[in-house]
Amino acid sequence: NAGVTQTPKFRVLKTGQSMTLLCAQDMNHEYMYWYRQDPGMGLRLIHYSVGEGTTAKGEVPDGYNVSRLKKQNFLLGLESAAPSQTSVYFCASSYSGEGIYEQYFGPGTRLTVT
Amino acid sequence: AQSVTQLGSHVSVSEGALVLLRCNYSSSVPPYLFWYVQYPNQGLQLLLKYTSAATLVKGINGFEAEFKKSETSFHLTKPSAHMSDAAEYFCAVSGYNFNKFYFGSGTKLNVKP
Repeated sequence: NAGVTQTPKFRVLKTGQSMTLLCAQDMNHEYMYWYRQDPGMGLRLIHYSVGEGTTAKGEVPDGYNVSRLKKQNFLLGLESAAPSQTSVYFCASSYSGEGIYEQYFGPGTRLTVT
Repeated sequence: AQSVTQLGSHVSVSEGALVLLRCNYSSSVPPYLFWYVQYPNQGLQLLLKYTSAATLVKGINGFEAEFKKSETSFHLTKPSAHMSDAAEYFCAVSGYNFNKFYFGSGTKLNVKP
């Protein structure tokens, strides 16, 4: 099992450019999440999905869009990048059965917007 | 609303000393609590989780945490620090809400030789 993978690992964008971050998981998890991590602020939820074809806003959704066309993939898009979106982005997934289950994280994507 | 507060953004201990990382939660319902560890340039890994089965939870790498409802705390401890424990540690709380987690701001643990 590869677990949760993210591509790319690093990216530098200029202000106004667009890009898509790809997250893939091979654990057959229903739930998937996108977070951003900034120094001193922990992880903040951008968007999440509770199943194929469904998405919902998290704590900091502005400037991002997501899609979950396939169960194993969760895409995060930046339509017009801004310097404030410089961050490390983490994808996570979790099981959705009865109870509470931990999230499994990918290795992260380091994005710099100049 | 649920939230988590981690006291101390940086903690420094000597190798072999006790590690104590503090976490307090605010929750209107009995919470589910987690500790994650993040090594440099890596994603987060689960250390341990509390799901009401027992108040003292043992995790990987010799870490444990005790749930204290009266103090709304879930502090992480390890009796003897190793150099390999140097990392950033995050406390998180969740509830029955599509498994949404709320993370603390993190504590960076430095272990001195």
